[in-house]
Amino acid sequence: AQSVTQPDIHITVSEGASLELRCNYSYGATPYLFWYVQSPGQGLQLLLKYFSGDTLVQGIKGFEAEFKRSQSSFNLRKPSVHWSDAAEYFCAVDLLNAGNMLTFGGGTRLMVKP
Amino acid sequence: EAQVTQNPRYLITVTGKKLTVTCSQNMNHEYMSWYRQDPGLGLRQIYYSMNVEVTDKGDVPEGYKVSRKEKRNFPLILESPSPNQTSLYFCASSPPRDRGREQYFGPGTRLTVT
Repeated sequence: AQSVTQPDIHITVSEGASLELRCNYSYGATPYLFWYVQSPGQGLQLLLKYFSGDTLVQGIKGFEAEFKRSQSSFNLRKPSVHWSDAAEYFCAVDLLNAGNMLTFGGGTRLMVKP
Repeated sequence: EAQVTQNPRYLITVTGKKLTVTCSQNMNHEYMSWYRQDPGLGLRQIYYSMNVEVTDKGDVPEGYKVSRKEKRNFPLILESPSPNQTSLYFCASSPPRDRGREQYFGPGTRLTVT
């Protein structure tokens, strides 16, 4: 079945440590790929997106993500986490069909230790 | 300010009492969608609309209705709410594919059905 998987439901890192959140998708073609962040009680904010071209994309708040076609992955990274990064992160794919616009992973909740 | 607004933000209701959640966007976007968010499941699309008077089902449409009489508005209607529709609901809008299809989300509506 076609799906988006975020294997880590919860991740805890220390402030200042590096971060990598995993995302894998199972589709035949390369979709559009997104990472969104949801802070407590807030809506979803787009961190970054990949449509084509350079496989390393830069986003807001110091985040980046790398698309690896061979692994069907689009992992999110940040070299040094800040306490304000504590939130839930969602990977999403756009299959470029007419209507099913975004398929989301289950989310990864990030906690940051002082 | 470009935005998607939803009302109400919080709603507690009883089984069977019809309700409507409004959604409005000021970006002149053609596409609009409704999603529900449940723990561990990420966001799942309920309905989408590609333009005025054009709507179609997403992944989880049962128990919901929508309408798109104006480009800016896309209300979600629960004719007879049930407890399994307790969830966090998000409205989103986006331009069509040739302009990026990045989705903009509203702040969410937390619905509780008792």
